[in-house]
Amino acid sequence: RKEVEQDPGPFNVPEGATVAFNCTYSNSASQSFFWYRQDCRKEPKLLMSVYSSGNEDGRFTAQLNRASQYISLLIRDSKLSDSATYLCVVIRFSGGYNKLIFGAGTRLAVHP
Amino acid sequence: EAQVTQNPRYLITVTGKKLTVTCSQNMNHEYMSWYRQDPGLGLRQIYYSMNVEVTDKGDVPEGYKVSRKEKRNFPLILESPSPNQTSLYFCASSLGDSSYNEQFFGPGTRLTVL
Repeated sequence: RKEVEQDPGPFNVPEGATVAFNCTYSNSASQSFFWYRQDCRKEPKLLMSVYSSGNEDGRFTAQLNRASQYISLLIRDSKLSDSATYLCVVIRFSGGYNKLIFGAGTRLAVHP
Repeated sequence: EAQVTQNPRYLITVTGKKLTVTCSQNMNHEYMSWYRQDPGLGLRQIYYSMNVEVTDKGDVPEGYKVSRKEKRNFPLILESPSPNQTSLYFCASSLGDSSYNEQFFGPGTRLTVL
């Protein structure tokens, strides 16, 4: 079983839709959580951090549930430009440094 | 412009022919790492470096070497490439290894080993 699991999708949604992705992690020692966005054939880029209290950045809302060990990303009013793969990233301390563990990503396709 | 650069961007080679993928960052970052990305597996760390002359293995180091002689450069060396090293490779850097530091990725190197 992978340490960080994501539904690979694809999620095909029309413009204006609200879509939510979940990501589960298995190691309860995980400390920090992020969502990265990766466009096709491009490098990943930080989308947002995920805090226990939840955080919002415009149309994007990220939440963390430590008890159930999952994080979520909600995108409201989807735009064509939101089409990308969304990577869940979990950080935990291991072997003397903070180790990043990436999920395999969830693909989102927004259509007109 | 703050960036991480990688070269080459695309490379097709044959089994056993040594190659080096260069990585350079201009942000004075201490922490650098190499990842490979394969379908369905996500990014997996190959090697990382906490600072000059400090490197260590990640999750999939077999068949790879790295060096960190200068802060800005972190080349990835494949001494004897094999077809199972065909992958998309990303170099990344960050200020340090704090759990809150953003990772900045290079544009990627698509390697095919025949």
